[in-house]
Amino acid sequence: DQQVKQNSPSLSVQEGRISILNCDYTNSMFDYFLWYKKYPAEGPTFLISISSIKDKNEDGRFTVFLNKSAKHLSLHIVPSQPGDSAVYFCAASEETSGSRLTFGEGTQLTVNP
Amino acid sequence: DGGITQSPKYLFRKEGQNVTLSCEQNLNHDAMYWYRQDPGQGLRLIYYSQIVNDFQKGDIAEGYSVSREKKESFPLTVTSAQKNPTAFYLCASSVRDSGYGYTFGSGTRLTVV
Repeated sequence: DQQVKQNSPSLSVQEGRISILNCDYTNSMFDYFLWYKKYPAEGPTFLISISSIKDKNEDGRFTVFLNKSAKHLSLHIVPSQPGDSAVYFCAASEETSGSRLTFGEGTQLTVNP
Repeated sequence: DGGITQSPKYLFRKEGQNVTLSCEQNLNHDAMYWYRQDPGQGLRLIYYSQIVNDFQKGDIAEGYSVSREKKESFPLTVTSAQKNPTAFYLCASSVRDSGYGYTFGSGTRLTVV
């Protein structure tokens, strides 16, 4: 049972435009959400997170939106840069599972110059 | 600098052999995790440990074993019982019960030849 889903395996955008990566979840107990970025042959690195008490968190070019009623979150990157090309993983945790994260399948973002 | 180190970066194994992947962290994190990444399947949890001398199976533990004798170390053994061991393996650590995300190592690429 895939509790965190990223339905788009890949996304291609032009440099300077907005990239929107989507993530859906089924477990209503999830209360903390994170986005990780991963380059090939490297470990993922933390990008941005959001608590379920918020609906938006912004950090520079990156903004995460959370819609609890729809069990949906999205990551917006504006403006997109070629260096943003990577795999992006959505992850979620619930208080009762301690620090354990559940990851989505990942979305390969390609930003074309 | 604090961090998490995986070694080796590349590993080749003959069919029928056991192999051990190393993971060491100096972040003073209580919790450690092993994930496996396959194309199109995201990050799948193999084993995790919230405290020394204790560990739990994740979603795909069959054919793997771990130990947690020291807080800093969480080695993963890929046994000959693992039917499809070729993959990219990621180790991570976190503050226990924080839910605030992981620090990942740079990964080990295991290839069965």
